[in-house]
Order: sequence, then C-alpha cells, then structure tokens
Amino acid sequence: AQSVSQHNHHVILSEAASLELGCNYSYGGTVNLFWYVQYPGQHLQLLLKYFSGDPLVKGIKGFEAEFIKSKFSFNLRKPSVQWSDTAEYFCAVKFGGATNKLIFGTGTLLAVQP
Amino acid sequence: DTAVSQTPKYLVTQMGNDKSIKCEQNLGHDTMYWYKQDSKKFLKIMFSYNNKELIINETVPNRFSPKSPDKAHLNLHINSLELGDSAVYFCASSQLSSREAFFGQGTRLTVV
Repeated sequence: AQSVSQHNHHVILSEAASLELGCNYSYGGTVNLFWYVQYPGQHLQLLLKYFSGDPLVKGIKGFEAEFIKSKFSFNLRKPSVQWSDTAEYFCAVKFGGATNKLIFGTGTLLAVQP
Repeated sequence: DTAVSQTPKYLVTQMGNDKSIKCEQNLGHDTMYWYKQDSKKFLKIMFSYNNKELIINETVPNRFSPKSPDKAHLNLHINSLELGDSAVYFCASSQLSSREAFFGQGTRLTVV
C-alpha cells in the first residue's frame, strides 16, 4: 500500500540549530513530493515541492529538501532555525496514477526554543 | 482575494444534528478535495472531485456527502453528527496537471 512515514514526531531545537526532518515513502514508481507547514492555528502552506530535475530543491524561508530516489526519501533541512519556525511539518506524496491522491505523513511538531 | 475559502471557520453543534461546510476556490483549478485532520494532526483524504465528478471516495461513513455544484465549489454535508466527527476539516484544490494542492483555512468542527 502507498504510505508516507515521518519518523520524528516531536523535535525540540534551540534557535540557530540545524534541522533535518525525515520523510520516506513506500512506492517505487513516479512520485511528486511536497513539504507543507502548518503554523499554530493556521492552514497548511506549501514550503517546497519536487516534480523532476535537480533532486535538491529550495523552498521558502530558507528550507530545502533532497530527493534520494534509491532511499525513497525526501528529507527537509534548514541550516539555522528560528523561533518563528515553530510549527507542524508535513511531508506529502502524490503517487503516480490517475487518482491524483495526495497522501500525508503523520507530521512532525517542531518547537524552537529562543 | 483568498484562493481557497471555507465557511464557517468554527462550528459547534450537538450530536445528531446535520451540518454543512462550504468551500470555494478562485484559482480556476479543476480538482477539489476534503481532508480531515484529527486531534493528533493526522491528515486523511476523504473525497476528491475533478470537474464536478467524484474521483476519490475513501472509507468515509455515508453520513458524509460531498456536493460539487460547479468546478469552483465543493461542499461537505454531514448527517447525524457524532462525537468522533470532531476534527478540523480542510478543503483544498489543485490543477490535475500541476499536482500541487492549495489549502483553505480549515473548519474546526466540535460535536458536543
């Protein structure tokens, strides 16, 4: 079955620390990959996306992610986090096929301490 | 000029009632979705419509009935509300070819 897993459920960092959030998916075919962020009490916003081409993609607010096809992974990174990065982060995968279904991981709650 | 808008933002209602949540998108997208986010923040797709046609219908109780009067609207009607229906419901839209989804602000439904 198609699935998306995020291994870190809750991450606590101090400001200026580096961040890496893991995301793995189960399917071996064509995928489109996304990271969304949900700030407290708000809706989901797209951070970055990968469809094809350079596997290292840059998003908004200094975030980047690397697609490693052999590992079925799409990890999110940021060299130096800020208190305002405190939010829930969701990895999402659109698997190949006609249904256009976007499947989300369980989310990672990032808390950045000032 | 909100891209995907849902109403209401908050909804508190008693068990057994029937309620509707409305969603509209002004992005010209051909596909719209309903997602449910539970208390643990897990997001699960419920329905998807493409050009007013239902294309995804996950395992959702038939008390939930989506209705798409046109490409820009996808409403969610819920009959006989239960405590377990309490959640945040997100509407989203995308262009099938572009595959990136845009989300509404969410509707926090509380059933008491």
